[in-house]
Amino acid sequence: SQQGEEDPQALSIQEGENATMNCSYKTSINNLQWYRQNSGRGLVHLILIRSNEREKHSGRLRVTLDTSKKSSSLLITASRAADTASYFCATDAPDNFNKFYFGSGTKLNVKP
Amino acid sequence: DADVTQTPRNRITKTGKRIMLECSQTKGHDRMYWYRQDPGLGLRLIYYSFDVKDINKGEISDGYSVSRQAQAKFSLSLESAIPNQTALYFCATSGGAGWERDTQYFGPGTRLTVL
Repeated sequence: SQQGEEDPQALSIQEGENATMNCSYKTSINNLQWYRQNSGRGLVHLILIRSNEREKHSGRLRVTLDTSKKSSSLLITASRAADTASYFCATDAPDNFNKFYFGSGTKLNVKP
Repeated sequence: DADVTQTPRNRITKTGKRIMLECSQTKGHDRMYWYRQDPGLGLRLIYYSFDVKDINKGEISDGYSVSRQAQAKFSLSLESAIPNQTALYFCATSGGAGWERDTQYFGPGTRLTVL
């Protein structure tokens, strides 16, 4: 399966700390995306990183991609209680770049 | 107004009933997707469509069918609902140019319970 797997499954930190979550996948990709989901709601796109990129920033978010290890990490700096959510990585399929596979997510709890 | 809407938002039904979930979008995207999410799990692709005449099966299409009535509308049907189809269902769209094309925009979800 192309599906990405996030690690850890759950993460609990204090407000102000940094949160790091990881995603590993199995086959070659064109790009990898990170999404956020507040409880029971639709997913919201956070950032897309292409296979030829190694690092990307967006506000307090930093994403890295290591295609040799087939892994990515999402770093949220100076976390806030409002960052509490589940975070998913999504990879496209090598045989069909218009199909996406989602991991099972990391549930982040930021305590005020 | 939301760009991607889903109706109904919640539905409780009985085993064997036919159910239709509807999705509409105002983003002008050509691609639409249906996913299901089970508690504590990620999303699994049921069907996807690249335009009105292009429908494709995803990972878990058995027991489901879809209809792309127009570019803006994509419906998911459960012909004969069963309890293990109880889940949160999401519609998503993507389109545009370049890498933006791969960004998916999700609806708010439909919570379906099959008794």
